[in-house]
Amino acid sequence: GENVEQHPSTLSVQEGDSAVIKCTYSDSASNYFPWYKQELGKRPQLIIDIRSNVGEKKDQRIAVTLNKTAKHFSLHITETQPEDSAVYFCAARNSGGSNYKLTFGKGTLLTVNP
Amino acid sequence: GAGVSQSPRYKVAKRGQDVALRCDPISGHVSLFWYQQALGQGPEFLTYFQNEAQLDKSGLPSDRFFAERPEGSVSTLKIQRTQQEDSAVYLCASSVTREQFFGPGTRLTVL
Repeated sequence: GENVEQHPSTLSVQEGDSAVIKCTYSDSASNYFPWYKQELGKRPQLIIDIRSNVGEKKDQRIAVTLNKTAKHFSLHITETQPEDSAVYFCAARNSGGSNYKLTFGKGTLLTVNP
Repeated sequence: GAGVSQSPRYKVAKRGQDVALRCDPISGHVSLFWYQQALGQGPEFLTYFQNEAQLDKSGLPSDRFFAERPEGSVSTLKIQRTQQEDSAVYLCASSVTREQFFGPGTRLTVL
């Protein structure tokens, strides 16, 4: 089955700096890669996603890049703000077949210091 | 509109008790997922429904775990004879396309 590795497990940055979180996946058939943000005690919320036919996607201060050959994808947050502090999870999914389950990484605790 | 809701939000059970966790998906969402999230970990897949059909239950840790969605809407995850290792947050998610919308979870503590 799919295995997703996520690094780093914790990341501390100063407000205004950039933050990068990296993930690798094992199943070359995976073709959908969402990123979720989870604040303490809250539900995971989708912040950006990318499909395997696209190499990069941006949404304001957030961008995701995908390297299918190397089977890794990254989340980039620019101009970080204290409200970006949360746990971020990457995930992968193989949309072929009848199951659309997500396989998650272990998460990255991002702390943005004012 | 209303998102995914789950009840109860918190459940404390004595070891050996049975528990039932409820999920109300977003109306019209065909797909429903259950995940287990241990402290400090990412969600792990338990089971998947498409309408009322349980298409994948490969993530259920043991035969003490059972899920149903009889009318293709509300789903219940039942855990029999709870053990301490069952303590976790149980998340429900629903979807109609790619994006999965998560509920707030039920935090289960087994004493």
